[in-house]
Amino acid sequence: DVKVTQSSRYLVKRTGEKVFLECVQDMDHENMFWYRQDPGLGLRLIYFSYDVKMKEKGDIPEGYSVSREKKERFSLILESASTNQTSMYLCASWGFGQPQHFGDGTRLSIL
Amino acid sequence: QKEVEQNSGPLSVPEGAIASLNCTYSDRGSQSFFWYRQYSGKSPELIMFIYSNGDKEDGRFTAQLNKASQYVSLLIRDSQPSDSATYLCAVHNYGQNFVFGPGTRLSVLP
Repeated sequence: DVKVTQSSRYLVKRTGEKVFLECVQDMDHENMFWYRQDPGLGLRLIYFSYDVKMKEKGDIPEGYSVSREKKERFSLILESASTNQTSMYLCASWGFGQPQHFGDGTRLSIL
Repeated sequence: QKEVEQNSGPLSVPEGAIASLNCTYSDRGSQSFFWYRQYSGKSPELIMFIYSNGDKEDGRFTAQLNKASQYVSLLIRDSQPSDSATYLCAVHNYGQNFVFGPGTRLSVLP
């Protein structure tokens, strides 16, 4: 079974802080994704990566950056957290010919 | 803009009935189709995938695909209260990103 592990289930940070969300997958997948999910807005793609050190902007990259130094790890960075970044953040992993598998999610609150 | 559409619901069915969830998509080149179940406050969990036209059955779940009509559905037989959740339809065209629908909220009434 694919295992996608996100470092925190719940996180509370303050406005202006730099926030790191970590995601690790154990299936040697090339492809990893970060989404945020808000009520009424569905899943929105923030960034994705198809290989180590490779990153591509998704639909809503503003205010975020990512890092993929190793194949199994994909980090999402909020450069200067703002209250409108309070959300559920979901990491996903995908191997060719397979479905996307999600981590448990991180519910992030910015105060 | 590639789109996946679902009725937002809530879809309410009595326990033991068949729940029918529908999804339409705009990208005619889509090749893979997925259904995820998401309980409130949890992450999406894959329950079915289908690649070819026709029906695919797995236990109480049946996925149906009609590429000509750009339509995919999920049937849940003998619905249980534990099936109450939001169901996300996802569509994939190789070489492109997955596109998710907004989800349909299903409520199974005891």
